[in-house]
Order: sequence, then C-alpha cells, then structure tokens
Amino acid sequence: GQQVMQIPQYQHVQEGEDFTTYCNSSTTLSNIQWYKQRPGGHPVFLIQLVKSGEVKKQKRLTFQFGEAKKNSSLHITATQTTDVGTYFCAGPMSGGYNKLIFGAGTRLAVHP
Amino acid sequence: DAGVTQSPTHLIKTRGQQVTLRCSPISGHKSVSWYQQVLGQGPQFIFQYYEKEERGRGNFPDRFSARQFPNYSSELNVNALLLGDSALYLCASNPLGGADIQYFGAGTRLSVL
Repeated sequence: GQQVMQIPQYQHVQEGEDFTTYCNSSTTLSNIQWYKQRPGGHPVFLIQLVKSGEVKKQKRLTFQFGEAKKNSSLHITATQTTDVGTYFCAGPMSGGYNKLIFGAGTRLAVHP
Repeated sequence: DAGVTQSPTHLIKTRGQQVTLRCSPISGHKSVSWYQQVLGQGPQFIFQYYEKEERGRGNFPDRFSARQFPNYSSELNVNALLLGDSALYLCASNPLGGADIQYFGAGTRLSVL
C-alpha cells in the first residue's frame, strides 16, 4: 500500500546546529503537509506545499517539495531548544480517499 | 476562539471493556477525523465524518465505530478493548473534510490493562 517514510527517525543536535529531515512517498502526492508535535503534545500544522519544486520559508524553517512531488524536506537553521519535538510529514492517500497518511516522524533533540 | 476539544484527557480501561471518546470541532468546521497514535509512530487515520456522513475509513476492525452529531461534534467508540488499543486518540477538524489541513485536539490518552 501507499507509504510515507521519514528519515532519520531521531536526530540529536547541539543548539545552533542545523537540522534536516526528509520525507519520501511511494506515490506522487497532490500536496504535502508538515506538522510538529512537542513532547506530550499534539500535532500542530506548520505548512502545506502544493506545487512541484515549491520552497517555503518560515523564519528559520525551510520546506521543499520535490520536482516529482514524491519527496519533501524540512531544514531548520541554527536550532534552538524551542525546536525540540517530532516533525511529521503527511500526504493525501491517492485514489480520492479522504485520508491523510502520516510518516513515522523525526524526533529532534536539541542540547544547549 | 476555542480549538478542538476532546474529553476525557486520560482513561484507563481493562481488556474487554468498551470506551467512548468525545470531540468538539473548531466552530464553523463541519468535518471531524479520528486518528490513533501509538508511541513512537505517526497518527493513523481511523475515520472521517462530514455533515454527519462517514467520508472515509482506515484499516481498523469493526470494534471501532464513530458518529457525528448535528452540532458537528463526534464520538469514537471502541468495543472489546485489547491491550493493543492503548494509544493517544486524536480528533482533528477542518472546514470541508478531505485530506486538507488537520487541526488537532489535545487527544485522549487511553490505557488498556
């Protein structure tokens, strides 16, 4: 079945270092969404990418959607302790189903 | 404006029991989706409802059922609980349903002993 995979599963950085997480789909996606879940919290929507090759920035966060619309990345510049959490990508299930498929997430730990 | 609200926040049940979880969407949102999140994994889609009609169903057994009320609030029912049902159950709402942006509630943490 359709899968959304994320790597790495876990990343441990020193505060101030950069961080990147990658998302790969087994099928072409109409859009990709990114969410952040703080420890003990719930997923919070960050951004949606729709166009092939699209790049969007939110302060220190840069999101990219691949040309083939099957992969995406999230890059954080100069991480801060407030960036701690798990970052999920999610894409719609192909075939018109009203269903989002989430990756397993990348857990980011930031040490001061 | 209030976000998505879920109740209860925590629940402890024993195997074989039944549980009902409740969700109130953001005002103006007509669609509610339910997700199960097991520790260390991403949310897994269970159901979506829009205007009281089921719009989507994930790969969960028939022990899982849900409904949506005229005020767009929703309930998720799980019968004959198994240990493996222990998880965070998340409710999300959005205006029109589909696989659009999900606005999640804080979730209900269910422990099955």
